[in-house]
Amino acid sequence: AQSVTQLGSHVSVSEGALVLLRCNYSSSVPPYLFWYVQYPNQGLQLLLKYTSAATLVKGINGFEAEFKKSETSFHLTKPSAHMSDAAEYFCAATSGTYKYIFGTGTRLKVLA
Amino acid sequence: DAGVTQSPTHLIKTRGQQVTLRCSPKSGHDTVSWYQQALGQGPQFIFQYYEEEERQRGNFPDRFSGHQFPNYSSELNVNALLLGDSALYLCASSSWDREGWSGYTFGSGTRLTVV
Repeated sequence: AQSVTQLGSHVSVSEGALVLLRCNYSSSVPPYLFWYVQYPNQGLQLLLKYTSAATLVKGINGFEAEFKKSETSFHLTKPSAHMSDAAEYFCAATSGTYKYIFGTGTRLKVLA
Repeated sequence: DAGVTQSPTHLIKTRGQQVTLRCSPKSGHDTVSWYQQALGQGPQFIFQYYEEEERQRGNFPDRFSGHQFPNYSSELNVNALLLGDSALYLCASSSWDREGWSGYTFGSGTRLTVV
């Protein structure tokens, strides 16, 4: 069965510091992988997606993620955190188009 | 270009009541999926509708049902509400096009509170 694990339910970084949010997946077939951001009382906004093309995926707002099959990982990074990056981030996987399996989320706090 | 529209944005219901949530997909999308997001959790797949039929269902009881209309809009119905049904309900639309699968576009959700 497919599953997604996000290590660290809460992550704090200083403004201007590197952001690293971790995501590992388990799947019997190569999945599609996604990162979403959710601001309070809002829906999910797509940051980036991996669909078996380039393993390094660039997204919006300066975020990027690297698909590493050997590590079954899809970690999200941003070189320099901004206060506006404070939000909850979800990693998701699907091996088809029917349903996503989401991780439990990581709440990012950016310290001034 | 309108994204996914959900209504209402907030709703308060009493245990045992029934509720209907509505979703209009993004223009050009023909598939609608529903997710339940409990507080502090990731979204959980409820079901997906395509061509007015339920294509796949997650691990939710029959109290959860849905419908898709010819214009691709969709409704989620929940009967005999329980306190545990309190959650943010997200609608997501998608489609296939020349570039392949579009991926989901999510709406802002309906916050359901059962008291």
